[in-house]
Amino acid sequence: NAGVTQTPKFQVLKTGQSMTLQCAQDMNHEYMSWYRQDPGMGLRLIHYSVGAGITDQGEVPNGYNVSRSTTEDFPLRLLSAAPSQTSVYFCASSNGQGLTDTQYFGPGTRLTVL
Amino acid sequence: GNSVTQMEGPVTLSEEAFLTINCTYTATGYPSLFWYVQYPGEGLQLLLKATKADDKGSNKGFEATYRKETTSFHLEKGSVQVSDSAVYFCALSPNFGNEKLTFGTGTRLTIIP
Repeated sequence: NAGVTQTPKFQVLKTGQSMTLQCAQDMNHEYMSWYRQDPGMGLRLIHYSVGAGITDQGEVPNGYNVSRSTTEDFPLRLLSAAPSQTSVYFCASSNGQGLTDTQYFGPGTRLTVL
Repeated sequence: GNSVTQMEGPVTLSEEAFLTINCTYTATGYPSLFWYVQYPGEGLQLLLKATKADDKGSNKGFEATYRKETTSFHLEKGSVQVSDSAVYFCALSPNFGNEKLTFGTGTRLTIIP
């Protein structure tokens, strides 16, 4: 049981490049989310999904796309990277069975956009 | 909207000192409240939680009580250890589902021997 895995761990992009951050979980969780962590701002929700085929926007969705074709995977796509997207990105999942549910976080991807 | 305010860090304490990290929140309805901890180089992990007023969450010697009258969820520990050095995040989830956590800015705690 690997929990929530994210790849890559580190990435450097040039402005305008595109890339996909991968997230997978093996706990059969329905809920998955993407957050970005910036100094002095805590974690902010980018996009989330409550099940395969269902996604919705969070607090800071601009510049990012997501899809959820399977329960296990929830990739985050940067269409045209900008320096403002330099951040640490965390994927999380939970089984969505109620208010007391715990979110499980991956180890993060540190992205730098030059 | 929902918001969480944490005390400014960083916080530096000596081993065996008493710890308090303040957290207050603004939310409609009756949110659930959480403390998450992030150790260096790792993702966040749940430390403790409380789902209704006057509930006390506890884990690893840490405690926090859900105070609706003061909209607070302060984290406390009676005797900290070097291994408690980490960043601590207060968070809430709305009363209709927990897929949309709102986090505070985090408080970096360093314990010196």
